[in-house]
Amino acid sequence: DVKVTQSSRYLVKRTGEKVFLECVQDMDHENMFWYRQDPGLGLRLIYFSYDVKMKEKGDIPEGYSVSREKKERFSLILESASTNQTSMYLCASSLGVGAPFFGPGTRLTVL
Amino acid sequence: QKEVEQDPGPLSVPEGAIVSLNCTYSNSAFQYFMWYRQYSRKGPELLMYTYSSGNKEDGRFTAQVDKSSKYISLFIRDSQPSDSATYLCAMTSNTGGFKTIFGAGTRLFVKA
Repeated sequence: DVKVTQSSRYLVKRTGEKVFLECVQDMDHENMFWYRQDPGLGLRLIYFSYDVKMKEKGDIPEGYSVSREKKERFSLILESASTNQTSMYLCASSLGVGAPFFGPGTRLTVL
Repeated sequence: QKEVEQDPGPLSVPEGAIVSLNCTYSNSAFQYFMWYRQYSRKGPELLMYTYSSGNKEDGRFTAQVDKSSKYISLFIRDSQPSDSATYLCAMTSNTGGFKTIFGAGTRLFVKA
């Protein structure tokens, strides 16, 4: 079974802090994705990566950056956290056009 | 217009009912279609994955794709209280990268 793990289930940070969200997958998938999910807005793509050291902006990249130094690991960085970044963050991975497999999510609260 | 439209519900049915969940889409390039189930405060879990038009059955779940109408459905037979969750449709095209577009999700309640 594909396993996607995320570093934290719940996280509370203060406005202005730099926040790192880590994601690891164990199935050698080349594609990895970061989404955020908000009530009424659904899943929105922040960034995705097709290969190591490659990244592409999704629909809402502002205020975020990513890093993919190893194939199995994809990190999301909030450079200066703001209250409007309070959300559920979901990491996913896929192989080619295969279905994305999701991690358990990180519920981030920014105070 | 959104690329993928999905009625958010909520949809409430009695235990044992047949449930029909639907999505419409506008991009004819979509070739791969998925349904996910998401329990509260958890990540989405893949239920069904189909390619192009046709039906696929897995236990109590049947996925249908009608590309001519740009319409996909998920049927749940003999629904159980444990099926209570949000169901997300999703689709991917085979051009322009591997981005997957998700519907907003339909909230389903199955009453015992």
